[in-house]
Amino acid sequence: GAVVSQHPSWVICKSGTSVKIECRSLDFQATTMFWYRQFPKQSLMLMATSNEGSKATYEQGVEKDKFLINHASLTLSTLTVTSAHPEDSSFYICSARGQINTEAFFGQGTRLTVV
Amino acid sequence: AQSVTQLGSHVSVSEGALVLLRCNYSSSVPPYLFWYVQYPNQGLQLLLKYTSAATLVKGINGFEAEFKKSETSFHLTKPSAHMSDAAEYFCAVSEQAGTALIFGKGTTLSVSS
Repeated sequence: GAVVSQHPSWVICKSGTSVKIECRSLDFQATTMFWYRQFPKQSLMLMATSNEGSKATYEQGVEKDKFLINHASLTLSTLTVTSAHPEDSSFYICSARGQINTEAFFGQGTRLTVV
Repeated sequence: AQSVTQLGSHVSVSEGALVLLRCNYSSSVPPYLFWYVQYPNQGLQLLLKYTSAATLVKGINGFEAEFKKSETSFHLTKPSAHMSDAAEYFCAVSEQAGTALIFGKGTTLSVSS
């Protein structure tokens, strides 16, 4: 399968600071990327869908001004958690796909801890 | 709207015993169904997927799942559990390939010696 690389794999930041998470498709062009969030011992919840060159579509209840998503190229999407607070501590996972009707592949995830 | 229900948040088996993890789905269109495994602090690994081809799907690590439309089920099985199978398992559904997945709440599989 195709490779999706997510960086960093873990990050600790102070409350009030911003954190950027990168999601890269290494061997294919990702026209669409999905960002998920997973709280401890819980399932994955879709946060937003981004298409290259367009604004991301956020799921209900996800603050677009807090979770900034950029998908400026066909191989890179970034999620920036702005003014992070301890309640933002979570596991964030991206997935990426090429053309429509093709499989989406998951990154390794990023463990964010806000102290 | 699509949804996935995983019956049993925690399943415990002995090493060598049959593994059965249950998943029922709700979808208004023929679904794409997936099983993923997640080890602690790691991402998701695809075990297998159903995409309207054969109803019995074989995956990695000896796992398989059978799509039963009449029961709206896609249960995951493995004939003989291994200690390394202990992990969190997620069933997921999507309307078509490449769209966002709807995940079940997950089932923790414990394997005892």
